[in-house]
Amino acid sequence: DAGVIQSPRHEVTEMGQEVTLRCKPISGHDYLFWYRQTMMRGLELLIYFNNNVPIDDSGMPEDRFSAKMPNASFSTLKIQPSEPRDSAVYFCASSNGQMNTEAFFGQGTRLTVV
Amino acid sequence: GENVEQHPSTLSVQEGDSAVIKCTYSDSASNYFPWYKQELGKRPQLIIDIRSNVGEKKDQRIAVTLNKTAKHFSLHITETQPEDSAVYFCAALKSWGKLQFGAGTQVVVTP
Repeated sequence: DAGVIQSPRHEVTEMGQEVTLRCKPISGHDYLFWYRQTMMRGLELLIYFNNNVPIDDSGMPEDRFSAKMPNASFSTLKIQPSEPRDSAVYFCASSNGQMNTEAFFGQGTRLTVV
Repeated sequence: GENVEQHPSTLSVQEGDSAVIKCTYSDSASNYFPWYKQELGKRPQLIIDIRSNVGEKKDQRIAVTLNKTAKHFSLHITETQPEDSAVYFCAALKSWGKLQFGAGTQVVVTP
């Protein structure tokens, strides 16, 4: 398995534009997490899914953020409209809850909103 | 929900010395405690984890201890080397699901 795959690796967009980040979890993993990392706030859990169902989205900053998981192999995190304060590295991670194993992280998407 | 506190936020050590990072958690039902290492510009990666049925676990120069009564756990790195320089994160988990991390510790190993 290639691990957790995120795209794009880098994204530069103008304020007000819609941004979509993508994630492909490791095959067979039933948990998927979206994190945001900044110097000021560290690693923040935004939302996580179990078997494609959103379980806890209490970390989503505001209504401009939304996440979906239409199937077991794909998830998106959307920001609409984007703002400069959304600039951060966004990580997706997946794990196998049945085995209670570690969470594996993707390479991350570095988002810059100008 | 679970709240994880991590200290110190930065740690500078001489090469060859030991480094210790401490974390406390709030939910007594937590039973899984992973530690992640993140090198500059890279993703966090698991380096060691411990479950609540053991008090200590060792892997070469890295060890983790757990005190369930006091609700704290620690990462110990012995004989530090420059490649140990990174940010280290702890986390505590009650049942598989909401994996939340401490604020991180920037470790700098100086030659």
